[in-house]
Amino acid sequence: GAVVSQHPSRVICKSGTSVKIECRSLDFQATTMFWYRQFPKKSLMLMATSNEGSKATYEQGVEKDKFLINHASLTLSTLTVTSAHPEDSSFYICSAQGPDTEAFFGQGTRLTVV
Amino acid sequence: LAKTTQPISMDSYEGQEVNITCSHNNIATNDYITWYQQFPSQGPRFIIQGYKTKVTNEVASLFIPADRKSSTLSLPRVSLSDTAVYYCLVGAYTNAGKSTFGDGTTLTVKP
Repeated sequence: GAVVSQHPSRVICKSGTSVKIECRSLDFQATTMFWYRQFPKKSLMLMATSNEGSKATYEQGVEKDKFLINHASLTLSTLTVTSAHPEDSSFYICSAQGPDTEAFFGQGTRLTVV
Repeated sequence: LAKTTQPISMDSYEGQEVNITCSHNNIATNDYITWYQQFPSQGPRFIIQGYKTKVTNEVASLFIPADRKSSTLSLPRVSLSDTAVYYCLVGAYTNAGKSTFGDGTTLTVKP
């Protein structure tokens, strides 16, 4: 299947700093990318949907100024957690979808804010 | 978006066939059914997708009755490495990434 690469796989940052997570589709053009958050032993929660070249659409309850999403090309989307706090610690997962494909998921990023 | 209901957990033994059923009573006409597998601290991995009747690939089969209000993922001869969480998603084919993840089924395969 198609490959979606997420980087970094694990990051620890200090409270108050910002962290950027990258999501790349390696062998197909991702017209749509999705960002999820997952708490331990819980299901994935969709945070936002981004289409290449346009602003992301955020799910209800997700702060768009807190979680900045950029989808500048058909192969790259980034999620920046701004002014991170310990409650932002979580597992963040991206998925990418082409115009006629199912969604492929990245390997996830474990964010720990200390 | 159609809501899905799956058993919270299932146990099995190596070599057995495992069937996980998902209920999706409000499935829409253009919705597809997709199953994903997730290991701890990894992103979900696509297993199989179908619209109706039966779909089979190298790892699983998907059975969908005529009314499409449920579906069954069948894993033949499971091994210990199949221990994972399995998610059933229902949504439009071209918008599968926006489908709502339910609680999933935690499958534990025992030796």
